[in-house]
Amino acid sequence: KQEVTQIPAALSVPEGENLVLNCSFTDSAIYNLQWFRQDPGKGLTSLLLIQSSQREQTSGRLNASLDKSSGRSTLYIAASQPGDSATYLCAVSGYGGATNKLIFGTGTLLAVQP
Amino acid sequence: DGGITQSPKYLFRKEGQNVTLSCEQNLNHDAMYWYRQDPGQGLRLIYYSQIVNDFQKGDIAEGYSVSREKKESFPLTVTSAQKNPTAFYLCASSIYMAPDRRNSPLHFGNGTRLTVT
Repeated sequence: KQEVTQIPAALSVPEGENLVLNCSFTDSAIYNLQWFRQDPGKGLTSLLLIQSSQREQTSGRLNASLDKSSGRSTLYIAASQPGDSATYLCAVSGYGGATNKLIFGTGTLLAVQP
Repeated sequence: DGGITQSPKYLFRKEGQNVTLSCEQNLNHDAMYWYRQDPGQGLRLIYYSQIVNDFQKGDIAEGYSVSREKKESFPLTVTSAQKNPTAFYLCASSIYMAPDRRNSPLHFGNGTRLTVT
């Protein structure tokens, strides 16, 4: 059974710092890995999707990497800003024959201090 | 603007009553999903639908029911059989038809917070 873990559960950094969020999964048979952002009381916003054949994806100050063999992904945020404060969730797809069914981690709560 | 609309934002019900949560999308997506989010837990899949008039149980379907009569709409009913219905419910959609279905990001609504007392 696929399990997704995110460490740390919470992180506080000063503005301007570069940071890395971690995601690990137990079954390497995935189609893709997705990173989402969730603001308090809101839905999820898709940030990056890495296909199983890819090693990384970039969008602005965000860079996500994927190492399927070790079951790990990282989300790198450069030059963090207070507006980056949110919960970041990763999710993997491809289990149970339904390629769009996602298994989510419990998230990392990020606070960027001005 | 294209998106997913969930209503209402907050919902309060007495124990033993059924309640229906609305989810509408105008993204022309084929697939729609219902997730439940509880504090300290990841999102868990309740039901999903890949095409009109078809839907499948997710990991925690007991006590819930859905319908998919229109492509744009995927309502979720929380029945009195659901033992712990108080939670944050999220609806999502994605492209399903090949060849994009394996790598189509999910789009989420803003959720409905259901409180049952």
